[in-house]
Amino acid sequence: DAGVTQSPTHLIKTRGQHVTLRCSPISGHKSVSWYQQVLGQGPQFIFQYYEKEERGRGNFPDRFSARQFPNYSSELNVNALLLGDSALYLCASSLQGTGNTIYFGEGSWLTVV
Amino acid sequence: AQKVTQAQTEISVVEKEDVTLDCVYETRDTTYYLFWYKQPPSGELVFLIRRNSFDEQNEISGRYSWNFQKSTSSFNFTITASQVVDSAVYFCALSEAALNGGSQGNLIFGKGTKLSVKP
Repeated sequence: DAGVTQSPTHLIKTRGQHVTLRCSPISGHKSVSWYQQVLGQGPQFIFQYYEKEERGRGNFPDRFSARQFPNYSSELNVNALLLGDSALYLCASSLQGTGNTIYFGEGSWLTVV
Repeated sequence: AQKVTQAQTEISVVEKEDVTLDCVYETRDTTYYLFWYKQPPSGELVFLIRRNSFDEQNEISGRYSWNFQKSTSSFNFTITASQVVDSAVYFCALSEAALNGGSQGNLIFGKGTKLSVKP
């Protein structure tokens, strides 16, 4: 069975541009979360979506937004990119409501120049 | 506020040595979940274990073992007879429980411990 898949794997953007990152959860998982991991730090929570509704939001500016589609896949959008947005963006999926394990994808490496 | 502290930034051992990675957490919740993940250089976070706050039994899985002590708010991870393939960054994480009893998606991570196992 496929795990959590993310695309693109690597990308380079210029300051001020916009980026869209995509995530497909494990089949049957309805909860998707996004995390940002800067070099040398632990991942930080950005968003959680369950059944297409936002269920949690971390301490990130409004330039960050996300959505979940009817097939439970998800997009993370970041507007007006800053150099400090350079990071590994991780998507995670889980079953909600049964004391579940949270599984992560391989991430999208974003470099802002 | 919830917090996870991994005081060891980097650990270096020689193959076959035992190594313990420390994790101390803070939470006001009575129900919570603790996790350990392994992150190799490729970036993917590999799930190792989940423990809920009501289950203080220690767990062993092959060369891996975990010691959960609520009295000291610690959830330490030991690798016995370490191998070069164990080299990675290891993260401890905490999650509060959702109202419906499940683990919420927002994990609070420590800063990680980089383990280097030399042949």
